[in-house]
Amino acid sequence: GQQVMQIPQYQHVQEGEDFTTYCNSSTTLSNIQWYKQRPGGHPVFLIQLVKSGEVKKQKRLTFQFGEAKKNSSLHITATQTTDVGTYFCAGHSNSGYALNFGKGTSLLVTP
Amino acid sequence: DVKVTQSSRYLVKRTGEKVFLECVQDMDHENMFWYRQDPGLGLRLIYFSYDVKMKEKGDIPEGYSVSREKKERFSLILESASTNQTSMYLCASSFSRTGLVDTQYFGPGTRLTVL
Repeated sequence: GQQVMQIPQYQHVQEGEDFTTYCNSSTTLSNIQWYKQRPGGHPVFLIQLVKSGEVKKQKRLTFQFGEAKKNSSLHITATQTTDVGTYFCAGHSNSGYALNFGKGTSLLVTP
Repeated sequence: DVKVTQSSRYLVKRTGEKVFLECVQDMDHENMFWYRQDPGLGLRLIYFSYDVKMKEKGDIPEGYSVSREKKERFSLILESASTNQTSMYLCASSFSRTGLVDTQYFGPGTRLTVL
């Protein structure tokens, strides 16, 4: 079945450094979603990308959807301690109702 | 705001017990999902339901069953709990059946320990 791979598994940065997590699918996706899970919390929806090559920004976060709709990235500029958590991508194919989640990237930011 | 609630935040059961995990959503969502989350393995889909009394197996349905008798409630059942089912269980719901805007709203999770 559809697989969504996410790298890196962990990332430790100093506050102020940039951070990027990458998501790759074995099949073409109809859309991709990103979620953030704070330590001890539950995943919370951040954004959805639908169009090929789409780029969206939320303050210091930049989300991209690849031209082939098989990969995506989340880039955080100048990380802050509030960015700590696990970031998941989730792909949705044209069939079915379920999302396929990547394993997540756990971000640790030290002051 | 969408609210997804789960019956317990923490649960401790013994091997062989029957365990019920309940999930309720208050936004009339059609789709509901059960995941388990384990370190290094991310979110793995156990079962989902796209309508009342309908259910579909996810990636890891073995050892689990589900029930959806009412639209707002989705139950996960462990017929005979085993220690390898110790995990965090997350319920989620979403609105559309096949639409692109398929945001999932998660409950707070139930941390189940099977002794």
